[in-house]
Amino acid sequence: DVKVTQSSRYLVKRTGEKVFLECVQDMDHENMFWYRQDPGLGLRLIYFSYDVKMKEKGDIPEGYSVSREKKERFSLILESASTNQTSMYLCASSPLEGGGANVLTFGAGSRLTVL
Amino acid sequence: GQNIDQPTEMTATEGAIVQINCTYQTSGFNGLFWYQQHAGEAPTFLSYNVLDGLEEKGRFSSFLSRSKGYSYLLLKELQMKDSASYLCAVRDSNYQLIWGAGTKLIIKP
Repeated sequence: DVKVTQSSRYLVKRTGEKVFLECVQDMDHENMFWYRQDPGLGLRLIYFSYDVKMKEKGDIPEGYSVSREKKERFSLILESASTNQTSMYLCASSPLEGGGANVLTFGAGSRLTVL
Repeated sequence: GQNIDQPTEMTATEGAIVQINCTYQTSGFNGLFWYQQHAGEAPTFLSYNVLDGLEEKGRFSSFLSRSKGYSYLLLKELQMKDSASYLCAVRDSNYQLIWGAGTKLIIKP
C-alpha cells in the first residue's frame, strides 16, 4: 500500500519557536507538495518540489521554507512560528507530469497549534 | 482571479442519491479532480475529468461541462461511510491545482 507519512499528527508550539514538519513518501514520486488547510478555504499551496534540492514557491510561502535533500523526504520549516500559522498541514506527492491525471497522494496531515 | 465554488454543506439520507456541484473560473483548464476527505484523514482521489461528459466509477460518477465551467459529483446508494468532505480542484494553464473549500456531506439514517 503506497504511503505518504507525516511524522507528527499533532504539535503544539510557542510563538517564535522553530518548527519542523517532516514528510516521507515510498512511491518514488518526483513531485512533493506542502499545503495548508483552513476551515472555509480551499487547500493553499505553500511550496512544492519536483526534484531533489529543487523547490518552488506556491501561493503562500511567506514565513515558511522547505528542504528536499532526498527524493523521498520533503520537510517544511517554520523559522519563527506565529499564531496565524496555526493550521492543518498536508503533504502530498505525485509522479512527474506526463499528461493524464497525475493524481496527488496525501499524508494524513499535521495539525499545528501555535500559542 | 481564480475561483472554485461548491456548497459548504449538504445533507442526504442513507440509500438516496446526492449531487455535489462545483463551478469554476480559472486561467485555463487542464482537468478537474474530485477528492474525498473523511474527518481527520488524508484526502483521497475519487475522479478526474478532462473531457466533457460523465465518468462513472461504481456508485460515484463525475460530470464535466467545460463551456459552462461546471462539474458535479453524483453519489448513488448512499452509505453512512460516505459522510465526508468532497473537494473539487481544477488544474489551470500552469498545471497548478486550484482548490474549492470543500462540501461537507452529512448522511442521515
